[in-house]
Amino acid sequence: GAVVSQHPSWVICKSGTSVKIECRSLDFQATTMFWYRQFPKQSLMLMATSNEGSKATYEQGVEKDKFLINHASLTLSTLTVTSAHPEDSSFYICSARGVAGLAKNIQYFGAGTRLSVL
Amino acid sequence: SQKIEQNSEALNIQEGKTATLTCNYTNYSPAYLQWYRQDPGRGPVFLLLIRENEKEKRKERLKVTFDTTLKQSLFHITASQPADSATYLCALVDQGGKLIFGQGTELSVKP
Repeated sequence: GAVVSQHPSWVICKSGTSVKIECRSLDFQATTMFWYRQFPKQSLMLMATSNEGSKATYEQGVEKDKFLINHASLTLSTLTVTSAHPEDSSFYICSARGVAGLAKNIQYFGAGTRLSVL
Repeated sequence: SQKIEQNSEALNIQEGKTATLTCNYTNYSPAYLQWYRQDPGRGPVFLLLIRENEKEKRKERLKVTFDTTLKQSLFHITASQPADSATYLCALVDQGGKLIFGQGTELSVKP
């Protein structure tokens, strides 16, 4: 099956620093990747949709200057949390959608990144 | 807007029994509906996709039904095992093409 690799799996940082999270599709090309955020005992909330070679589309209420997304290739999207603060502490998950056939309707998820801002 | 409702209470069952999880949606019927499994601290893993013209879909011990009249999908795990313990998420694509999730139902299978 399709594999999405997300790195790092866990990061602890000081308030005010920036953190970059990488999301790679390992065995397929993904023109579209998605970034989600999940708080404990809650569902995944879509933050933004990342399209290769173009600007990301952010959901309402998500600050684009706070959460910078870059999708420079068909296999890599990055999310940078700029000037992180304790309220940004959460579980961030990326996903990639297949491009053809049945896989076109399925999103494959990374393992997630636990961000803790001190 | 489309809303997805899953039982928020955890489901506790005995090993060997059949677990049944419910997913209800409120508005238009999607062309297909998906089920994912999520373990603590991990991303969701795709399990099954069922189309609107399919009443039932099976994969090993898993069975999913889709009733567009009731606006409901049921997810069954037969001969459940402790390893099946996880949170199960129902998801569908909204009219904007975005995949939205229910809050998930936590399943605990006791030996």
